[in-house]
Amino acid sequence: EMVLTQSPGTLSLSPGERATLSCRASQNVLNTFLAWYQQKAGQAPRLLIYTASSRASGIPDRFSGSGSGTDFTLTISRLEPEDFAVYYCQHYGTSQATFGQGTKLEIK
Amino acid sequence: QVQLVQSGAEVKKPGASVNVSCKTSGYTFTNYYIHWVRQAPGQGLEWMGICNPSTGSATYAQKFQGRVNMTRDRSTSTVYMDLSSLSSDDTAVYYCTRGLGYCSTFGCFPYYFDSWGQGTLVTVSS
Repeated sequence: EMVLTQSPGTLSLSPGERATLSCRASQNVLNTFLAWYQQKAGQAPRLLIYTASSRASGIPDRFSGSGSGTDFTLTISRLEPEDFAVYYCQHYGTSQATFGQGTKLEIK
Repeated sequence: QVQLVQSGAEVKKPGASVNVSCKTSGYTFTNYYIHWVRQAPGQGLEWMGICNPSTGSATYAQKFQGRVNMTRDRSTSTVYMDLSSLSSDDTAVYYCTRGLGYCSTFGCFPYYFDSWGQGTLVTVSS
């Protein structure tokens, strides 16, 4: 069974800074079938990135994804106030979709 | 635009069942799969299963097999999720979400999720 481990658990940064979030898979992720979501308090998650590096419709280009194999990264190039939220990675394409435990991005 | 509108909050007693509906609009109902994902208070996201609106077939996460049933009504573009034998561990917000995927003779397999319902809080308490 695939396990996704996200790090750090909490990331404290200021607006304008660069954020780097990590997602490590316990097994090789075939076809780079990995997605990233943003969730704000009291809201449903929002798709940001799919297939490791493809931006979803309407997502600003300050969000980018990279990685392959077992190591994946979500980068926010210059944080805006609305970017402070919880971020989840997700593996797909097998019999079960699996989420990481999340990284909370908070204002420093 | 794409919309997924879920039924309202529920309070259930342990051992009972709950039915949550997800009415879709703004796209061709049979062109996308519907998944259910839940989130316990203060916790992360947990995938429960996938429903193929075209055929009505469904595949469930191993954890929920035998306890969950996903069905659809093509005439109203609505998907339903039934969860039985509820315990306090099932207290969570339940989301329906539209996604891609594929189905074979071995079952249906989820991809990523591009539109989400607003969530339905299910509280299980005696």
